[in-house]
Amino acid sequence: DAGVIQSPRHEVTEMGQEVTLRCKPISGHNSLFWYRQTMMRGLELLIYFNNNVPIDDSGMPEDRFSAKMPNASFSTLKIQPSEPRDSAVYFCASSSPPGAIWMKAFFGQGTRLTVV
Amino acid sequence: SQKIEQNSEALNIQEGKTATLTCNYTNYSPAYLQWYRQDPGRGPVFLLLIRENEKEKRKERLKVTFDTTLKQSLFHITASQPADSATYLCALDIKGYGGSQGNLIFGKGTKLSVKP
Repeated sequence: DAGVIQSPRHEVTEMGQEVTLRCKPISGHNSLFWYRQTMMRGLELLIYFNNNVPIDDSGMPEDRFSAKMPNASFSTLKIQPSEPRDSAVYFCASSSPPGAIWMKAFFGQGTRLTVV
Repeated sequence: SQKIEQNSEALNIQEGKTATLTCNYTNYSPAYLQWYRQDPGRGPVFLLLIRENEKEKRKERLKVTFDTTLKQSLFHITASQPADSATYLCALDIKGYGGSQGNLIFGKGTKLSVKP
């Protein structure tokens, strides 16, 4: 298995533009997570899905952020409009389903977003 | 409020010594506590998990302890090597029905540097 695949690896965009980050989880994993990492705040959970359904989006900072999981093999995180303070590394992770004895998260390589 | 704290942002030690990293938490009831390693430009990678009813877990040169009374986990790397240099993150797998609730909450991490 290729692991969790994220695209793009790097994104530079101007303030006000729409940004879409993409994630392909590991096949068979039922849970998918979006995290954001900055030096100041560390690794923050934004939202997670179980069986394609959003379970907890309390970490999504504002209405400018939205996430979808149209099927078991694909998810997007969209920021519209983007702002300089959104600059961070965004990670997608997938894991075995909740209710399993325990979960082990597999992370993608991340997308480094820079908003200028 | 709920917090996860790792004792220091950075730890510098000499090759061959034992590195000890600390993770403290408040107002959480974790089913499991996990440790991840993160190298620059990459996503975190799972290392070890310890359950709430376990005191200690070992894997090769790694040892993790878990004290639910103190709400603390210690992560040890014995006979440390320069290749162990990385950022180490603790994560709480919050208790839910049937075991895991299905999300991971991370500390900010401790950057370990092992000097030859």
